[in-house]
Amino acid sequence: GAVVSQHPSRVICKSGTSVKIECRSLDFQATTMFWYRQFPKQSLMLMATSNEGSKATYEQGVEKDKFLINHASLTLSTLTVTSAHPEDSSFYICSARDWGLTGVSYNEQFFGPGTRLTVL
Amino acid sequence: AQKVTQAQTEISVVEKEDVTLDCVYETRDTTYYLFWYKQPPSGELVFLIRRNSFDEQNEISGRYSWNFQKSTSSFNFTITASQVVDSAVYFCALLQVFGNEKLTFGTGTRLTIIP
Repeated sequence: GAVVSQHPSRVICKSGTSVKIECRSLDFQATTMFWYRQFPKQSLMLMATSNEGSKATYEQGVEKDKFLINHASLTLSTLTVTSAHPEDSSFYICSARDWGLTGVSYNEQFFGPGTRLTVL
Repeated sequence: AQKVTQAQTEISVVEKEDVTLDCVYETRDTTYYLFWYKQPPSGELVFLIRRNSFDEQNEISGRYSWNFQKSTSSFNFTITASQVVDSAVYFCALLQVFGNEKLTFGTGTRLTIIP
């Protein structure tokens, strides 16, 4: 149980286009999802916290107009990178936190497999 | 503010050697969780262990063991009899329980096991 998927796993796009990344909790309801960015050989940096049905909370320095987050259901959050540029090329990882799922630990975040974005 | 320090950027050991990955954390909270994750070349994070701040018992799982010492704010990870499949980047992380419940990651340690 507690599986999180991301789609696509890899995406290459041209500079100036927008890219949408989906994060799904497959077997549990996630009231909160998190989006992280990881540059090569660096750590994971939290970009934003997404709560179902409300606006996302962005970390300092993350442009909310560039990284649009929608958490419209308890199993799906999307991250849209608008007008992507080469410096947005990175590995994007989402995680989902469950609430009340029997046998699953409180506060546990379950991570998706990541999406590698390359902007040409 | 929370902080996790993994001072070892890269470690290389010969297969079958033991290796310890260090993790030191800073937090003002009395209730928190500590984690270790493995990130193989594929990129997917693999959960290894979670420990809450009130449980200082050391844990052993197969070739893996963890030493949690609140007195030194450390949560070190030892791999015994290392194998090539252990090659990966390992992250230590700290979860703030109250408030925003964010996970703060260390910078990671790249472990290479030499056959």
